[in-house]
Amino acid sequence: AQKITQTQPGMFVQEKEAVTLDCTYDTSDPSYGLFWYKQPSSGEMIFLIYQGSYDQQNATEGRYSLNFQKARKSANLVISASQLGDSAMYFCAMREADNDMRFGAGTRLTVKP
Amino acid sequence: DAGITQSPRHKVTETGTPVTLRCHQTENHRYMYWYRQDPGHGLRLIHYSYGVKDTDKGEVSDGYSVSRSKTEDFLLTLESATSSQTSVYFCAISERGDLKNIQYFGAGTRLSVL
Repeated sequence: AQKITQTQPGMFVQEKEAVTLDCTYDTSDPSYGLFWYKQPSSGEMIFLIYQGSYDQQNATEGRYSLNFQKARKSANLVISASQLGDSAMYFCAMREADNDMRFGAGTRLTVKP
Repeated sequence: DAGITQSPRHKVTETGTPVTLRCHQTENHRYMYWYRQDPGHGLRLIHYSYGVKDTDKGEVSDGYSVSRSKTEDFLLTLESATSSQTSVYFCAISERGDLKNIQYFGAGTRLSVL
C-alpha cells in the first residue's frame, strides 16, 4: 500500500521566494522517521532533512525546514529564498520501526529567474 | 560526499544475460541498500544488508540476488535480465539501522535491457 503521497507532480517558484512541497503519509506506528531528499538533473540523491515522530521542534537545516503536523500526518518541506540551483526533483520518505524506508513519487520543482 | 562508488555507471545488455552491479563504500558503514528508480514510483528497495553475509529482501526483490562478502562491497545480480529490469539503480549506505536511518546514495547505474 502506498504510504507516502506527494500530490504535486510539478511546482514553479520565483527566485528568492519561498516554496512549500507537500508530503502526507500513512502509518499506525507511533514511532517513525521522515526524510526529504533532493535529486538534481545530474541524478544523485542528496539528503536534506530529517524529522522524528517524537521530535518536539520542527526540523531546520539552513534554508530548509520541515512543517511537521503530526495529527494531519503531513511533513511538508519549506524552502526559503529559492535559488536557481534548487531546481530538482524532491522526494519525501518515511521509515517505520522494523520496516524499510518508503519513498513518495516526487515533486519536480522549477525555480524561475 | 559519502564515499560510495557504483560501477558500471551505464550498461546496456540483452534479455536473458546475467548482470552484476557493484557498490563500493569507503565509510565502513554497516548497512547497505540497493534501490531501483522508475518514473512515477520514486525509489523502491530491492535488497539490503545489515552486515557481512547478512542480507534481506526488500519490496521488489524478485529477479534479483545480492551478496556481501566484505564490509565495503555490496553486489546486485540480475541472474537473467528482463526488459522490466530496465531502470536506474542506486546503492545507499547508512551508519544506523534505527529510525534516524539517514541513507547516503551513490551516483546511480543506468541499466537498459534490450
